[in-house]
Amino acid sequence: DAKTTQPTSMDCAEGRAANLPCNHSTISGNEYVYWYRQIHSQGPQYIIHGLKNNETNEMASLIITEDRKSSTLILPHATLRDTAVYYCIVTGGFKTIFGAGTRLFVKA
Amino acid sequence: NAGVTQTPKFQVLKTGQSMTLQCAQDMNHNSMYWYRQDPGMGLRLIYYSASEGTTDKGEVPNGYNVSRLNKREFSLRLESAAPSQTSVYFCASSESRTGGELGGTEAFFGQGTRLTVV
Repeated sequence: DAKTTQPTSMDCAEGRAANLPCNHSTISGNEYVYWYRQIHSQGPQYIIHGLKNNETNEMASLIITEDRKSSTLILPHATLRDTAVYYCIVTGGFKTIFGAGTRLFVKA
Repeated sequence: NAGVTQTPKFQVLKTGQSMTLQCAQDMNHNSMYWYRQDPGMGLRLIYYSASEGTTDKGEVPNGYNVSRLNKREFSLRLESAAPSQTSVYFCASSESRTGGELGGTEAFFGQGTRLTVV
């Protein structure tokens, strides 16, 4: 599976959009981009995934660049409850590897 | 539906003791996983089971054994616990990725087992 690079931490004001970047320059053609988050010490929670096209669900939007070497997770209206560690993962098989993620702090 | 259930939630072991962490899922998923998470770090894959009857090593399998008891249950055993195995252990399950359709399914995680080896 391809490796990913994410910023260690980010801040966001409550009510504003949170844009979390991820670089995955070695992604292969059959690998998907997944985003999970982990709130405090709970089990990770699935957010969204995509292959080539941009995706949107009730939680977030995922923007994947045309060359697929990077992506951005967008939380459109961040709330205090969105404070968490966000993991960007690239995987095409079973050995899903989690990196250190981005710690997002949403501030009032 | 309960999703993924792990037992126990907390455990303290003495060095050299053995124990089995239990995991069960009720979503009829084919694939199951065991991860560990050390303080301030991401999750590391210990073992996974792509489907009932199969198991494979992940990133950090040493010191652990697994059993895929049936489609619902996937257990993790520590034969001789060491302080380095102090961690939070997460079990997860997902639909299997079959044929040429790799990826495309999300994993569901349990709430974790907090293990301390003294």
